[in-house]
Amino acid sequence: NAGVTQTPKFQVLKTGQSMTLQCAQDMNHEYMSWYRQDPGMGLRLIHYSVGAGITDQGEVPNGYNVSRSTTEDFPLRLLSAAPSQTSVYFCASGRERNTIYFGEGSWLTVV
Amino acid sequence: AQSVSQHNHHVILSEAASLELGCNYSYGGTVNLFWYVQYPGQHLQLLLKYFSGDPLVKGIKGFEAEFIKSKFSFNLRKPSVQWSDTAEYFCAVTKGSSNTGKLIFGQGTTLQVKP
Repeated sequence: NAGVTQTPKFQVLKTGQSMTLQCAQDMNHEYMSWYRQDPGMGLRLIHYSVGAGITDQGEVPNGYNVSRSTTEDFPLRLLSAAPSQTSVYFCASGRERNTIYFGEGSWLTVV
Repeated sequence: AQSVSQHNHHVILSEAASLELGCNYSYGGTVNLFWYVQYPGQHLQLLLKYFSGDPLVKGIKGFEAEFIKSKFSFNLRKPSVQWSDTAEYFCAVTKGSSNTGKLIFGQGTTLQVKP
């Protein structure tokens, strides 16, 4: 992989619990984003950042928060987990008009 | 609604058969186009990308794609598939030159290659 690290790889949460998915990249990329992957729906953009201190909502932002205090890190917070948030989450990073690199994914189950 | 459509959801081929996976998008204006592959249990890897220039794009592992602007299409092709090409394939689009990070994905096509 090209330097996008996600943790944890697997997590089981109870409904109502909160947690943070961590994402870090060491390529000095300005763009970072979070996607969720669900069967038959491809990947959908949750939140997006064009640089430290700047974030924006994607297609499915409800129930998730993000912040970008440094260029390297872009954590995704689930405020109060719901079964509908059971999914595989991918963090990605890249530069303007260049390849977007994906992390290895985080499998989240909410029971 | 603006979207990216992959018409083939599940494709089964024998080794050495030719492959063409369809991708259409419904955005006007400038777009950047991508094909990603996801092998079982792995992350997405870029196969090829189109930003501008020659509409016939060659990627890794013998894949190519042709951008046909008039048809809003970016179909993926490979002349002869191998068993190792079994994977899920995603077409994706970004709108304009300043939205590189905001990929909009199609639903994906699962390719199964029989040995």
